[in-house]
Amino acid sequence: SQTIHQWPATLVQPVGSPLSLECTVEGTSNPNLYWYRQAAGRGLQLLFYSVGIGQISSEVPQNLSASRPQDRQFILSSKKLLLSDSGFYLCAWRGINEKLFFGSGTQLSVL
Amino acid sequence: GENVEQHPSTLSVQEGDSAVIKCTYSDSASNYFPWYKQELGKGPQLIIDIRSNVGEKKDQRIAVTLNKTAKHFSLHITETQPEDSAVYFCAASMQGGSYIPTFGRGTSLIVHP
Repeated sequence: SQTIHQWPATLVQPVGSPLSLECTVEGTSNPNLYWYRQAAGRGLQLLFYSVGIGQISSEVPQNLSASRPQDRQFILSSKKLLLSDSGFYLCAWRGINEKLFFGSGTQLSVL
Repeated sequence: GENVEQHPSTLSVQEGDSAVIKCTYSDSASNYFPWYKQELGKGPQLIIDIRSNVGEKKDQRIAVTLNKTAKHFSLHITETQPEDSAVYFCAASMQGGSYIPTFGRGTSLIVHP
């Protein structure tokens, strides 16, 4: 069966520090992968999506970047965090019939 | 692009009552409409979905209805229980391709015991 792993669960970082969040998927190949953010509320903001290795599409200009070095690995990064980067970050993959499967999320607090 | 409006933003009901959450979409080409439930501190989970070739779908206490002419769809939860308390998201998209669903802003459902 397919599973998605996302870590860490919680992260507290100072302003100006770098960021690296990792997401891996097991049990499937060449999935569409997504990074979403929820900031101070409930809305799901799409940050990046990827349809294959090295293929990244950005939905919102921001302080973040994404990479897909391997088929089932998706990484969210920042060189210098801002206060506004705080939020709940979710990785997801697209299964059959357009069903999205989300990871457990990373709560990022930038202080 | 697609725009999805979701109402209400907060819904408070008594245990055993029914709850209805409504969404409207703008792109008539959208043909796939999922609903996700997000419990506190967790990622959203798909609970039910509907495609444009049907008008209603039911799974135990939850059901979804779709009106393509009016471009709206709704989630119905009957006999609500405290464990139904969560944030619910609707979404709309076209099947296939890059698949980028557009989500509503979410409804916080509170079921009082």
